[in-house]
Amino acid sequence: QQQVKQSPQSLIVQKGGIPIINCAYENTAFDYFPWYQQFPGKGPALLIAIRPDVSEKKEGRFTISFNKSAKQFSLHIMDSQPGDSATYFCAASPNSGGSNYKLTFGKGTLLTVNP
Amino acid sequence: EAGVTQFPSHSVIEKGQTVTLRCDPISGHDNLYWYRRVMGKEIKFLLHFVKESKQDESGMPNNRFLAERTGGTYSTLKVQPAELEDSGVYFCASSPGGEGEKNIQYFGAGTRLSVL
Repeated sequence: QQQVKQSPQSLIVQKGGIPIINCAYENTAFDYFPWYQQFPGKGPALLIAIRPDVSEKKEGRFTISFNKSAKQFSLHIMDSQPGDSATYFCAASPNSGGSNYKLTFGKGTLLTVNP
Repeated sequence: EAGVTQFPSHSVIEKGQTVTLRCDPISGHDNLYWYRRVMGKEIKFLLHFVKESKQDESGMPNNRFLAERTGGTYSTLKVQPAELEDSGVYFCASSPGGEGEKNIQYFGAGTRLSVL
């Protein structure tokens, strides 16, 4: 059973475009939603994260939109650049009331930004 | 500050052999996690250490997998005997511990395990 569903599997955009990656979750215990960026040969690196008490968070060109009632969240990349080409993973975990914050990941989206 | 270090970066072994993966977390991080990504699938949680104690090993596939964390520092993940379905990329992550920002997990580059 896949608890975090991510789409699309792959995405190709032109430089300057706005790729959007969507994720949906099922477990209502999740209250921390990070996005990780992974380049070939490297490990996933935290890009931006959001908690459900806000509907949007922006850091530079990256924005997370969060819809708690629909249990969905998405990543938008403004003015995308070829250097943004990477695999993006959404994830979710509980973030309070315990000590195990294991992450549940989506399957990943391979983003290619063409020059 | 050094990041999470994993080695080897790549291991190719025959079915039935034993392989040991090592993870050195960021110094001072009490929490250490192991994850695995099988080709085409999502990154899946394997287990979680707090210092030297196993907090949660609910994601371990079976008893062919043994994880240890000596003295609360580095961790090893041994697969014995390895099977074809164990192939994948094994990631280690560490975090300082606590809520909020203290729970950010920092990942290593992973060990790519190929079982032939």
